[in-house]
Amino acid sequence: DIVMTQSPDSLAVSLGERATINCKSSQSVFYSSNNKNSLAWYQQKSGQPPKLLIYSASTRESGVPDRFSGSGSGTDFTLTVSSLQAEDVAVYYCQQYYDTPLTFGGGTKVEI
Amino acid sequence: QVQLQQSGPGLLKPSQTLSLTCAISGDSVSRSSDAWNWIRQSPSRGLEWLGRTYYRSRWYNDYAPSLRGRITINADTSKNQFSLQLNSVTPEDTAVYYCTGGSAMNCWGQGTLVTVSS
Repeated sequence: DIVMTQSPDSLAVSLGERATINCKSSQSVFYSSNNKNSLAWYQQKSGQPPKLLIYSASTRESGVPDRFSGSGSGTDFTLTVSSLQAEDVAVYYCQQYYDTPLTFGGGTKVEI
Repeated sequence: QVQLQQSGPGLLKPSQTLSLTCAISGDSVSRSSDAWNWIRQSPSRGLEWLGRTYYRSRWYNDYAPSLRGRITINADTSKNQFSLQLNSVTPEDTAVYYCTGGSAMNCWGQGTLVTVSS
């Protein structure tokens, strides 16, 4: 299984400041056949299912604000919230879909 | 816009079979572009992928190795839905269960809290 390790477990960020979350996979999730990383980021607010923010490591899902961005390749990835808003308080997860079983990181709780 | 509506019981006794259904609107269960998944979430296990079904000229299934032998995922094209069966449940199977669409999961059901208790 591909193990996804997120850091930090939690972070507190002031409104308007940058939040950075890291995700490391135990093996590369880069598909040379399509030149894409099979890595997604999700946001989960209390009492709701997760919501897809980013796929292919850096492509924003339709409707996701541009303050959310994803970067990285191979085994190391980052989700950045450029200017944190109150509504961004949530737990964020990375997930690989390179191979089954699909696996998720343990989550990063973002607070104000 | 794809919507997923889950249904099924939320309380089971140990050794019973968990059965959940996910009805799809706005897409087809037999689309050839991606897969349909079952996920569960618990404080002890976090987000855990259980398995998926997808259609590529015929139906395929993939399951989490930890559940192989207990899990079955089926698609019903006549009702445009897919289902999860998990046999011989124990209290460790207590979790919120979600159906989702896509390998990067861009649609989620509302979640079903399944509690296994005697």
